[in-house]
Amino acid sequence: QKEVEQNSGPLSVPEGAIASLNCTYSDRVSQSFFWYRQYSGKSPELIMSIYSNGDKEDGRFTAQLNKASQYVSLLIRDSQPSDSATYLCAVASSGTYKYIFGTGTRLKVLA
Amino acid sequence: KAGVTQTPRYLIKTRGQQVTLSCSPISGHRSVSWYQQTPGQGLQFLFEYFSETQRNKGNFPGRFSGRQFSNSRSEMNVSTLELGDSALYLCASSTTGGQGQDGYTFGSGTRLTVV
Repeated sequence: QKEVEQNSGPLSVPEGAIASLNCTYSDRVSQSFFWYRQYSGKSPELIMSIYSNGDKEDGRFTAQLNKASQYVSLLIRDSQPSDSATYLCAVASSGTYKYIFGTGTRLKVLA
Repeated sequence: KAGVTQTPRYLIKTRGQQVTLSCSPISGHRSVSWYQQTPGQGLQFLFEYFSETQRNKGNFPGRFSGRQFSNSRSEMNVSTLELGDSALYLCASSTTGGQGQDGYTFGSGTRLTVV
């Protein structure tokens, strides 16, 4: 079992729809969770971070965390073609000084 | 505020050679982490440095090494290059190195091709 799992996609959604990206993790003591966006040929950029159970909203993005189910998700509302990218989920545990990344979900927003 | 600077951007080396990659973190960030990214494996953790001390190392052979200087700049070295070392090497800068809530800021990466 991989430590952080994501569906590789591609996930195709029409412009204006809600894109839902999911991530599961295996280490129960994980404390910090991050979503990164990576455009083709570019480096990852931080979109959202979440540490407590529940929802966290930032503009069109909402991160959701459920530690009991070891599940974190990212919702993108009003998806735009410019949102087309690979979305990476990262998990950090206290004292390890590293993130563990999923392999990413490729999102395609169709105009 | 200047971002994370990685040099060089692109590198082509021959099998058996060695290579040194450089990373200058965001001013004030004392943690530098290195990751290898390949299409098949995704982002794999190499090592993390904080105030010149390596606090964690990933599952890579001893050919991969790194160091951090007193000004927080970091270098990683790969000796005896193999074809499988071809990858994008990413440096990440942060205040705490994967602790707490600050998140990483990545550099643009160094694309290494071994032929």
